[in-house]
Amino acid sequence: DAGVIQSPRHEVTEMGQEVTLRCKPISGHNSLFWYRQTMMRGLELLIYFNNNVPIDDSGMPEDRFSAKMPNASFSTLKIQPSEPRDSAVYFCASRNSGANVLTFGAGSRLTVL
Amino acid sequence: AQSVTQLDSQVPVFEEAPVELRCNYSSSVSVYLFWYVQYPNQGLQLLLKYLSGSTLVKGINGFEAEFNKSQTSFHLRKPSVHISDTAEYFCAVSQGGSEKLVFGKGTKLTVNP
Repeated sequence: DAGVIQSPRHEVTEMGQEVTLRCKPISGHNSLFWYRQTMMRGLELLIYFNNNVPIDDSGMPEDRFSAKMPNASFSTLKIQPSEPRDSAVYFCASRNSGANVLTFGAGSRLTVL
Repeated sequence: AQSVTQLDSQVPVFEEAPVELRCNYSSSVSVYLFWYVQYPNQGLQLLLKYLSGSTLVKGINGFEAEFNKSQTSFHLRKPSVHISDTAEYFCAVSQGGSEKLVFGKGTKLTVNP
């Protein structure tokens, strides 16, 4: 089992550019979560999906952020346009809805200059 | 809304000393409780969980935690730490039946020789 796979691991971009972060959940897991980690705010839940359907996006900070899950094996988190305050580590996590434990990816570290 | 308070942002200890990392949560209803560990530049890994049953829960790497409903606490303990335990530790809670996991802001444990 390769675990939850995120890409890119590191991204440096300039303010105003579009950023796309990708996640491949563990095969068979039907719930997927996107978290953001910053020094100031800790780990914040941005959005989560069950069976590819967005269930709760109340944590998405603003309209510049969007997330999709076109199929059970792929999800994207997009920021357009990016701003310096979006700099953070973004984690994807997945689980089987019958379980209670999240498995996290290694994260994508985003730096917006 | 659920909240989790980790009372210490940093805990320095010497190798082979005991350690306790404190965690308090807000909800008084049925909850599931978790401790995750994050090593530098990695994602979060599950240390242990409390879902029901015995209030003393044992996890990996010699860690244990005790659920105290009256004090709404779930403190993490280890009787003798190693250098390799240096990491950030996160307490998390989900209300029974909820899929959302709320994290504390983390405690950085530094084990010194």
